[in-house]
This record gives sequence, structure tokens and C-alpha cells, in this order.
Amino acid sequence: DAKTTQPNSMESNEEEPVHLPCNHSTISGTDYIHWYRQLPSQGPEYVIHGLTSNVNNRMASLAIAEDRKSSTLILHRATLRDAAVYYCILRDVLSSGTYKYIFGTGTRLKVLA
Amino acid sequence: DGGITQSPKYLFRKEGQNVTLSCEQNLNHDAMYWYRQDPGQGLRLIYYSQIVNDFQKGDIAEGYSVSREKKESFPLTVTSAQKNPTAFYLCASSIGLAVMDEQFFGPGTRLTVL
Repeated sequence: DAKTTQPNSMESNEEEPVHLPCNHSTISGTDYIHWYRQLPSQGPEYVIHGLTSNVNNRMASLAIAEDRKSSTLILHRATLRDAAVYYCILRDVLSSGTYKYIFGTGTRLKVLA
Repeated sequence: DGGITQSPKYLFRKEGQNVTLSCEQNLNHDAMYWYRQDPGQGLRLIYYSQIVNDFQKGDIAEGYSVSREKKESFPLTVTSAQKNPTAFYLCASSIGLAVMDEQFFGPGTRLTVL
């Protein structure tokens, strides 16, 4: 299984940028890197995904290392509503030829007012 | 509003009883999934379905059963054979099972076995 490694927790001040790192040294050439976040007692929600190039959307930016063995999710201005567990996820191929997510324990982001 | 609904939000059952968790989606998605989450842990895949009348076991299917008789519905039954059923259960759906497909998650059902 392709796996990811993330810090257990991070803190940020409100209105400041946050860089959430993820290591995925066993990533294969066709693996997309997905990020989801989970607010307390809710289901995860999609944040962003990418393959090789850096990606931007309204929620965040994703910076992918040139060797693709690590990536960083960037929240440009953290708000209290961004406090959540952030999961960096790779996909794995199932025996049926389809895919599944491999969830780790994620990074718990605390935003300080 | 399009989305995924799960009911109930909280569920209590006595040990030895079967219980069925509901999951409905109106996103017209083909693929649906059930995950289990234990405190402080990530999600683990129980079952998934690519299309109506078809479903496959995930990583931790023992003690669970599912059905997919309608595209919009994917109920999960937690049987008495599941040794440690207390957990947070999440249902998700996606357009398909391609590598790019974003998964949409429901709000979850928290099951407690008394």
C-alpha cells in the first residue's frame, strides 16, 4: 500500500498562512495526491488534489515536490473555521481494478484567535 | 440540495443485535462506500459498490453486510458477528471509481453498543 506520513498536530494563528506537510516516499508515477479535511463529528470534505504540478483552488494551494515524494497543503489565511483534521491521501488499486483511498491519522490543525 | 444523508445521527444497540444504518444520495453517483472511523484514527473501508446490484468487500468487511438495490441507496447492516461495532460510520459516494473522482461524504452515524 502507498502510505503517507503527516505530523500529528500543528498550530497556527488566525489570519496567518499554514503549511501542512505530507511525505509519500513510496508514491508511484500514476498516484494522485488528495487532501481532505474533517471537522469535528462530521464527514471528510474534499480540499484539493494534484499529480505533478502545483494546484490552486478557492480553498487552498497544493505544492508538490519535484520528485513527488512530498507535498504541502497551503492555507493562505487560516480562520477558526479551518480547525480540522487534514488528511493527505493516496489511492491504492483494488483487486477489482478500481481504487480506494488510504487514510492515515492526519494532522490536527488548531487555529488560535 | 444535492448531497448524502445518513440516519440516524446517533444509534444505540444492545450487544447481540443487528442494526442497519441508512445512506441515501441524490447526486446521481454510481459509486458508494462505507467507512468506519475509530477515535483518533483515519477511515477504514468496509464495503464499496460500483453500480446497482454489485458490491465488493473492503479492508474490514467481517461482521458487516450491505445491499445496493437502488442507485441512490446503500444501507449497511452491522451484525452481531462484528466483535467491536462501536464506532463512527461514514458513507460516501463518487461519480465512479476512477482515480480522479472526488468522494462526497455524509455526516456520519455514531453507533454505540451497550
